[in-house]
Amino acid sequence: IAGITQAPTSQILAAGRRMTLRCTQDMRHNAMYWYRQDLGLGLRLIHYSNTAGTTGKGEVPDGYSVSRANTDDFPLTLASAVPSQTSVYFCASSDSPGMNTEAFFGQGTRLTVV
Amino acid sequence: GQNIDQPTEMTATEGAIVQINCTYQTSGFNGLFWYQQHAGEAPTFLSYNVLDGLEEKGRFSSFLSRSKGYSYLLLKELQMKDSASYLCAVMDSNYQLIWGAGTKLIIKP
Repeated sequence: IAGITQAPTSQILAAGRRMTLRCTQDMRHNAMYWYRQDLGLGLRLIHYSNTAGTTGKGEVPDGYSVSRANTDDFPLTLASAVPSQTSVYFCASSDSPGMNTEAFFGQGTRLTVV
Repeated sequence: GQNIDQPTEMTATEGAIVQINCTYQTSGFNGLFWYQQHAGEAPTFLSYNVLDGLEEKGRFSSFLSRSKGYSYLLLKELQMKDSASYLCAVMDSNYQLIWGAGTKLIIKP
């Protein structure tokens, strides 16, 4: 089934540990995104990539890094996790970053930093 | 700053009609999206408006007024499965989506 897959689905992580959230899409979409979703707040963009080989910072990039070595994969790394990074993380992709571009979301990763 | 406002929660009755409003202030405008998100699941696309007016898609319709910075999502013939959060998002001048916090819609029998 075509779509976008995230792993893991949930994780409890000790503060200070390094963690990579994986995201893979098989729709050959150019653009990919990482969002975090916290109760009472809208989805907030962490990092994005408009095409393979390029990345950009979103609204809340501090403490996170990404890479886009190929079209399909867009991992998100927390270098040294802190409790404020406890959140639900969604990876998304779209055919292009332009107008009228529906975004497809992965099922999310629920991360708890303790 | 950029801002998207929508009600936090609404309640409606099965079979009825409900209108979820969204007002926005953003740097530039390249379209407005509505997404549906069931609890514990990913958001899924419902509609896109870039021109003023009403777009109808089955039981769901979305309206846009760019001059007023206003949109609404209209859901008709409500079903229990429509219980979900509805997210309004605006694409700004940099083609980035700015998201509202979402409206939790509760459907009662």
